[in-house]
Amino acid sequence: EAGVTQFPSHSVIEKGQTVTLRCDPISGHDNLYWYRRVMGKEIKFLLHFVKESKQDESGMPNNRFLAERTGGTYSTLKVQPAELEDSGVYFCASSQVKAVTQYFGPGTRLTVL
Amino acid sequence: GIQVEQSPPDLILQEGANSTLRCNFSDSVNNLQWFHQNPWGQLINLFYIPSGTKQNGRLSATTVATERYSLLYISSSQTTDSGVYFCAVEKGGTASKLTFGTGTRLQVTL
Repeated sequence: EAGVTQFPSHSVIEKGQTVTLRCDPISGHDNLYWYRRVMGKEIKFLLHFVKESKQDESGMPNNRFLAERTGGTYSTLKVQPAELEDSGVYFCASSQVKAVTQYFGPGTRLTVL
Repeated sequence: GIQVEQSPPDLILQEGANSTLRCNFSDSVNNLQWFHQNPWGQLINLFYIPSGTKQNGRLSATTVATERYSLLYISSSQTTDSGVYFCAVEKGGTASKLTFGTGTRLQVTL
């Protein structure tokens, strides 16, 4: 069974540009989460989808971040426009309905110059 | 919100040594997971352990939920154990967000 996959693995962009990160959860997992780790700090929650609906988006830092999960399958996280402080590693995780264990993808390392 | 603290923040070991990492949390939880972030940045699930003790090879973990802490034991450490170890807890209902600790950075030297 394939794990959670994320694309790209690494992205380097200029301040003010737009970047879109993609996450493909484990097949059959209705729960999808986005987290990020910036500046060597702890990993922080961004938002949680159940199928295509946003269950909890309390961790989204501001309106420059837009997450979507059309059709309840893969998800995208768009940052527009990117700022220097957005640099970090963005992780996606998925889990089954009512399951407690979240499985994480390899992350996307975003560098904003 | 719930607070998660890990200690020590940094640890350097010689290969073959044993170590204990600690995770304290400020409230009751219904999920606790240990992760290893390897040098390539990947987060690897180690244990799901809201209570009790589990073992997997050279690693074992114990969570004492009533006292709000968890311990991760690494025995006979190897250089491949290097990286950052995170504890994460979930307080809300099933399948809600994880709150991570600040991590313990482990370096195993030859």
